[in-house]
Amino acid sequence: DAGVIQSPRHEVTEMGQEVTLRCKPISGHNSLFWYRQTMMRGLELLIYFNNNVPIDDSGMPEDRFSAKMPNASFSTLKIQPSEPRDSAVYFCASSFGEQETQYFGPGTRLLVL
Amino acid sequence: GENVEQHPSTLSVQEGDSAVIKCTYSDSASNYFPWYKQELGKRPQLIIDIRSNVGEKKDQRIAVTLNKTAKHFSLHITETQPEDSAVYFCAAIPISYNTDKLIFGTGTRLQVFP
Repeated sequence: DAGVIQSPRHEVTEMGQEVTLRCKPISGHNSLFWYRQTMMRGLELLIYFNNNVPIDDSGMPEDRFSAKMPNASFSTLKIQPSEPRDSAVYFCASSFGEQETQYFGPGTRLLVL
Repeated sequence: GENVEQHPSTLSVQEGDSAVIKCTYSDSASNYFPWYKQELGKRPQLIIDIRSNVGEKKDQRIAVTLNKTAKHFSLHITETQPEDSAVYFCAAIPISYNTDKLIFGTGTRLQVFP
């Protein structure tokens, strides 16, 4: 199994630009989670989906952030417009069931200048 | 809301010694407690987990204990090796809040000196 796949692995952009992060969960997993990790705030859950439906988006910082899961094998996290304070590592994770082991992808390291 | 506290924030041990990391949680209905290890620049990886129907679980040099009455759980690493150096995160799912999201502790940076 290839594991959770994320792209891009690194992204450098300028303030105000749109950023799209992509995730492919492990085949057969029906829960998908987006996390953000920074030194100051640690590991934060932004949003999670179950069977492609958003269940809890209370961690999404503001309207500039949006996430979609059009099918069981693909999800996107979009930031528009991006700001320097969005700089972080964004992880996607998936699990088979909502209270089962979550497997993390390699992360996308985002730097907004 | 649900809170998971983790201590200590940093831990330094000599190779071969044991290391213990402790976490407390606030939702008494929580029933799933995983531990993740994150090496520098890499993804968090599950190393062991425990559910509320057991009090202890072991996997080679790693063990986790759970005290539901006191609402705390601990990670024990015996015979530490330099490759155990990493940041360790505990987590819990706050069942009472009608959500299945993991709440993570703030992490413990473990350094094992040869």
